[in-house]
Amino acid sequence: GAVVSQHPSWVICKSGTSVKIECRSLDFQATTMFWYRQFPKQSLMLMATSNEGSKATYEQGVEKDKFLINHASLTLSTLTVTSAHPEDSSFYICSAASGSWEYEQYFGPGTRLTVT
Amino acid sequence: RKEVEQDPGPFNVPEGATVAFNCTYSNSASQSFFWYRQDCRKEPKLLMSVYSSGNEDGRFTAQLNRASQYISLLIRDSKLSDSATYLCVVNQRDSSASKIIFGSGTRLSIRP
Repeated sequence: GAVVSQHPSWVICKSGTSVKIECRSLDFQATTMFWYRQFPKQSLMLMATSNEGSKATYEQGVEKDKFLINHASLTLSTLTVTSAHPEDSSFYICSAASGSWEYEQYFGPGTRLTVT
Repeated sequence: RKEVEQDPGPFNVPEGATVAFNCTYSNSASQSFFWYRQDCRKEPKLLMSVYSSGNEDGRFTAQLNRASQYISLLIRDSKLSDSATYLCVVNQRDSSASKIIFGSGTRLSIRP
């Protein structure tokens, strides 16, 4: 149980384009979903927390207009990186929790984004 | 001082050894605690939650010391497959916000 999928697994895009990443909880309802970014040899950095049907809460320093998050249902959240630039190249990982923030999180396999 | 601190390692121990990591947290409002393991270029996977009473799962034992504000992870009879980075996660809530904080991880390498 507690399987989270992400799509795509990796993506290469040109600078200035937008990229959408999907995160799905496959066998449970995710009340809360989280989006993280991880640069090589660094720890996970939380970008935003989203609850189904409401606006995401972004961490300090994360531009909400650049990283659009939609949590349309209890099993799907999307992250859109708008007007991507090379510095946005990173490993983006989502996680899902069946309760609120204090519950265990189950992570998706991540999406490796390379912006050329 | 970082809110959650871990010894980055690497810890390099022989197969079969017992190894222990600590993770300290600075905010007493911290409410829930977890250990995750992350393999290179993979997502973190939940290893275990950490309860006040301590908990054990096979070769793994996790403990919480609220007075000294740290959690620990003990791995007994280590296997080659235990080689990974171990992340502690602290969830905290105070009057203004709730936060999830990952430690930077402790790298463990088990040698044959």
